[in-house]
Amino acid sequence: DIQLAQSPSFLSASLGDRVSISCRASEDIDTYLTWFLKKPGKVPQLLLYAASTLENGVPARFSGSGSGTEFTLTITNLQPEDFGTYYCQHLKSYPPSFGQGTELEVK
Amino acid sequence: QVQLVESGGGVVQPGKSLKLSCAASGLTLRTFPVHWVRQAPGKGLEWVAAISPDGTDATYAAPVRGRFTISRDIRRNTMFLQLSSLRVEDSALYYCAREGGTLTFTKRLDYWGQGALVTVS
Repeated sequence: DIQLAQSPSFLSASLGDRVSISCRASEDIDTYLTWFLKKPGKVPQLLLYAASTLENGVPARFSGSGSGTEFTLTITNLQPEDFGTYYCQHLKSYPPSFGQGTELEVK
Repeated sequence: QVQLVESGGGVVQPGKSLKLSCAASGLTLRTFPVHWVRQAPGKGLEWVAAISPDGTDATYAAPVRGRFTISRDIRRNTMFLQLSSLRVEDSALYYCAREGGTLTFTKRLDYWGQGALVTVS
């Protein structure tokens, strides 16, 4: 099974900041990587797929990069609605596992 | 408008069973793979199971394999997750989600239901 490891597990940032979250796969997953934002009491929101393609309606301050085993989610100009827990998920093969999550908190 | 609506959650004793439903509108379940994902209290997202578009192939996460069964009713455009031999650690909010993407590398879980809460106690 392919494992995903996110870092950091916890991130504290201020409004307007630029932050990056890393997702490392235990084996090559091409660009079969998606990113979600999960807020308490809310449904997971798809942000990006195919590692770098923005889902419809997601602000351009979100961007993704990487292929193979190393991926990065970058958020510029942090807004209040961006705080929550971010997850990466691969869809290369079954089981399509999630990373353990990165909690982004307001500093 | 695409909607997935889960139902069937509740409180159940360890060892008992429960059946969750995921009713779809605005999309046809037999066109795409459909997944179940859960989140236990204070924990992260965990993939549970998926079924292929033609319904012939179902795949399960190791912790639930042999205890959970995914199925669907094409006429009702509804998917089901039968949870059996439930354990305390199966307590979670269970989401169904559509796997979209017309090209292989664009696969993603793009539509989610609001979740069904299962408490095993």
